[in-house]
Amino acid sequence: NAGVTQTPKFQVLKTGQSMTLQCAQDMNHNSMYWYRQDPGMGLRLIYYSASEGTTDKGEVPNGYNVSRLNKREFSLRLESAAPSQTSVYFCATVPTGDTQYFGPGTRLTVL
Amino acid sequence: GENVEQHPSTLSVQEGDSAVIKCTYSDSASNYFPWYKQELGKGPQLIIDIRSNVGEKKDQRIAVTLNKTAKHFSLHITETQPEDSAVYFCAASPGDNYGQNFVFGPGTRLSVLP
Repeated sequence: NAGVTQTPKFQVLKTGQSMTLQCAQDMNHNSMYWYRQDPGMGLRLIYYSASEGTTDKGEVPNGYNVSRLNKREFSLRLESAAPSQTSVYFCATVPTGDTQYFGPGTRLTVL
Repeated sequence: GENVEQHPSTLSVQEGDSAVIKCTYSDSASNYFPWYKQELGKGPQLIIDIRSNVGEKKDQRIAVTLNKTAKHFSLHITETQPEDSAVYFCAASPGDNYGQNFVFGPGTRLSVLP
């Protein structure tokens, strides 16, 4: 039982490049979330998926797209990376209660 | 919308001393308040939470207190140990089972000095 897994762990991109961050969970949770974490700003919600087949914007969605591929997987895509997207990205899942379970994170640097 | 402030941003204590981190929130509709611990290179992990119908909750060396009138809640760690060194985040939520309504504080970096 791995919980929430994220790939890759680290990534360096040049401005304008694209990439997809992958998240998978084996806890059979309906809801999945993508956050970014920046120094002094806590965790900010980018996109979320309340259930398979649905996605919605969070607080900071600009520059990102998401896909809820199936119940297990929720990916985050940067179509044209910008230096402002340098951050640590976390995927999280929520069961029927309030507790959020976070993945280990992806550290992204955009040059 | 909800706004969560957290103080202090950094905290250093001697091993064995107590540490207190305080959060304030703005939305009176919030009624679920979790605390997360984030160790270096890892994702946040829930360590304790409290709901608005309770004023205090304890789990071994960790306790959380809630003052709904003043809209603040605090994390108390007693007998601190080096492994308590981490970043701690508070959050507030309406407790409606919708994780998208979570609002996180900016975090407190706790250092426990041996």
